[in-house]
Formats: sequence, structure tokens, C-alpha cells
Amino acid sequence: GENVEQHPSTLSVQEGDSAVIKCTYSDSASNYFPWYKQELGKGPQLIIDIRSNVGEKKDQRIAVTLNKTAKHFSLHITETQPEDSAVYFCAAFNQAGTALIFGKGTTLSVSS
Amino acid sequence: EAGVAQSPRYKIIEKRQSVAFWCNPISGHATLYWYQQILGQGPKLLIQFQNNGVVDDSQLPKDRFSAERLKGVDSTLKIQPAKLEDSAVYLCASSFPGALGSEAFFGQGTRLTVV
Repeated sequence: GENVEQHPSTLSVQEGDSAVIKCTYSDSASNYFPWYKQELGKGPQLIIDIRSNVGEKKDQRIAVTLNKTAKHFSLHITETQPEDSAVYFCAAFNQAGTALIFGKGTTLSVSS
Repeated sequence: EAGVAQSPRYKIIEKRQSVAFWCNPISGHATLYWYQQILGQGPKLLIQFQNNGVVDDSQLPKDRFSAERLKGVDSTLKIQPAKLEDSAVYLCASSFPGALGSEAFFGQGTRLTVV
């Protein structure tokens, strides 16, 4: 079945810097790759997603890139702010294409 | 639009006891998921429903976990008997019917502590 690896597990940046989180997936048939942000005591919330027919997608300070050949995708956050501090999860649709398989998460800390 | 509702928010039980969690998905969402999130890890799928039918329960420990979704709306996840390793946050999520690669909306979760 699908396996998603995510790194780094923790990331500390200064306010205004950029942050990059990387994920790899195992199933070449996966075609949907969302990124979720989870704040303390809350459920994950979608922040951006990308489908396999697109190489890059941007939404204000957040961008995601996808390399289907290498089977990896990355989240880029520019001009980080303290409110970006949270746990970020990448995910991919499983082999059956019916449910999301999550990475282990990256704890992002943005200090002012 | 109301989000995914879960209850209770917190539950503490002793090992070997039973516990049940309830989820009410977003109106119109035919797909419902239960995920288990152990501290420091990503959510792990336990079971997926499409309406009131099970799509995938391959990761559900069926000797102690059970789930149902009567009438294709609300869902209940039960653990009986609970073990210490069941301590986790149980997340319910829902998505639009039949759409592959569609956004899954998550509830706030139920934090279970087994002592």
C-alpha cells in the first residue's frame, strides 16, 4: 500500500524566513496530494493541495511543488509569521484511491 | 456551513473498559472516515464509509474496534475492551460523495486516555 515519508520532523525559523517541508510517496498511482495544518487541540485543516497533472500551485505565501518522476512533493511557506507555527502533515491518496495516507508531521516553530 | 461534529472531546477510561465516540459529518457528505492519531504521529485510517457501507476497514483492529454508520449520516466508533495503546486522538472526517481526491474536513477529535 501507499507509504508517505515526511521530513524534517521539526523546523525552527525566524519570522520572515522561508520554510520548506518535503514528502515522498511510494505508490506511483497516487494522484492527489494535500497539505494539512494542525493547531493544538484542533483537527487538521487543509491549506493547499495539488493533483498529479500539475507541477506547482501557489496560494499567497504558500506553494506546493510535485515531482511525479521522483515521487516527491514539497510545501513552501514564504515570509513566515508566528501564526504559521503548527504541525504540518502531507498526505497522498492510498492505492485504492479512496482514503488519505498521512506523513508523520513536521512541527514548525516561527519565532519573532 | 457547520463543520464535522464529534463528541465527547475528552474521555478517560481504565483498560478493559469500553468506550464509544460519536461523529456527525457535514451535511451532504456521503464519505466518512475515522482516523486514529497517536501523539507525535500522523493520522492513521481506521475505517472509511461511503453512505452506510464500509469501503475500507483493513486497518481496523476488529477484535476490539467496531464502527457503524446507520442511515448513512452519523457514525459511532466503539472500543471494547480498551488497551493502554489505544490512547490517542480519534478523528472523524467527511468529504463530498464519490469524488476522488476531494478535501476531507476533520472534526476536532476525541482525546482518549486509557489508564
